[in-house]
Amino acid sequence: GAVVSQHPSRVICKSGTSVKIECRSLDFQATTMFWYRQFPKQSLMLMATSNEGSKATYEQGVEKDKFLINHASLTLSTLTVTSAHPEDSSFYICSAREVEVEQFFGPGTRLTVL
Amino acid sequence: GQNIDQPTEMTATEGAIVQINCTYQTSGFNGLFWYQQHAGEAPTFLSYNVLDGLEEKGRFSSFLSRSKGYSYLLLKELQMKDSASYLCAVTDSNYQLIWGAGTKLIIKP
Repeated sequence: GAVVSQHPSRVICKSGTSVKIECRSLDFQATTMFWYRQFPKQSLMLMATSNEGSKATYEQGVEKDKFLINHASLTLSTLTVTSAHPEDSSFYICSAREVEVEQFFGPGTRLTVL
Repeated sequence: GQNIDQPTEMTATEGAIVQINCTYQTSGFNGLFWYQQHAGEAPTFLSYNVLDGLEEKGRFSSFLSRSKGYSYLLLKELQMKDSASYLCAVTDSNYQLIWGAGTKLIIKP
């Protein structure tokens, strides 16, 4: 099956710093990439949908100025958490879609903000 | 609104069979997925149903009834490693994935 990688897998940062998470589709071209956040013992929550070369579409309640998404190529999307605070600590997962149905998930990034 | 319901938690015995149900109400339907998620890991794909009926894949089977807005995931010959959360997700008319809250499956020896 298709492979999606995420980097880093785990990051710990101080409050107020910015963190960038990369999501790459390794063996296919991802026309659409999704960013999810998952708090402990909760289901995945879609944060935003990004199509290559266009601005991301954010879900209601997600601050686009805080969670910057760039989908510059068909194989790479980045999520930057700006001025991170402890409440941003979460498990961030990306997924990528080539055709219109199945999404392939990255392994996730565990963010801890101190 | 869009809604997906599945039980919060289920317990089963190693070697037994368990059925996890999922009901959905969404704006449009373009398929239903089941994912397995172990704690601290990303979801992994188990099955995809878009037509009514049963799809069998090894120890796992998934059933769909579109008229009833209903699906189930059947796990046979349960193993301890099957302890995980099982997520039901429906693709709506915009091809967005709508997620259920997940069912935590606990396997006991």
